[in-house]
Amino acid sequence: KAGVTQTPRYLIKTRGQQVTLSCSPISGHRSVSWYQQTPGQGLQFLFEYFSETQRNKGNFPGRFSGRQFSNSRSEMNVSTLELGDSALYLCASSEGHGISYGYTFGSGTRLTVV
Amino acid sequence: DQQVKQNSPSLSVQEGRISILNCDYTNSMFDYFLWYKKYPAEGPTFLISISSIKDKNEDGRFTVFLNKSAKHLSLHIVPSQPGDSAVYFCAASAPGNQFYFGTGTSLTVIP
Repeated sequence: KAGVTQTPRYLIKTRGQQVTLSCSPISGHRSVSWYQQTPGQGLQFLFEYFSETQRNKGNFPGRFSGRQFSNSRSEMNVSTLELGDSALYLCASSEGHGISYGYTFGSGTRLTVV
Repeated sequence: DQQVKQNSPSLSVQEGRISILNCDYTNSMFDYFLWYKKYPAEGPTFLISISSIKDKNEDGRFTVFLNKSAKHLSLHIVPSQPGDSAVYFCAASAPGNQFYFGTGTSLTVIP
């Protein structure tokens, strides 16, 4: 079955713009989590959605937001982009909410803010 | 505040020898730990996990050891193979919470 699909793979934006990233989970998976990967900070948790509801949120400013649709697809939005937002954004899906479910990651969206 | 730390950014090992990747954590509430492997241009893939009720979990060439008193876990790969060359992340979670990842260790297995 298809894996976790993230689009676009690469993105270049200008400081101050906004961006929307998309994540399609594995069929049947209802939980989608988003992570930011940077060289210095590793993987940092952004938020988790389960059944269209945000279940957990990491320590990121309000410029970072997300949502999940009824088909479990999720979008992440970053407004007023800053240079420091340049990173690899990964989403992961799992069947349910909670650590007992395995997470499968997508290949990520590489965002560059110039 | 980095609750999960991987203090070695990189590690080089000869093929056939043992690779030991280390991870330290600060939150005593963490009760579930995982290791992920990441190749360039791909998302992390799950490798092995361990619950805090155990001190060792083995899966083929991969063994994870947990020392709760020291808040330390390690991943042993024996024997190491060139295909093991990747970035390895450890992650930890407390009940009901999200995972906290370390910054990763880049492993190079030299043929």
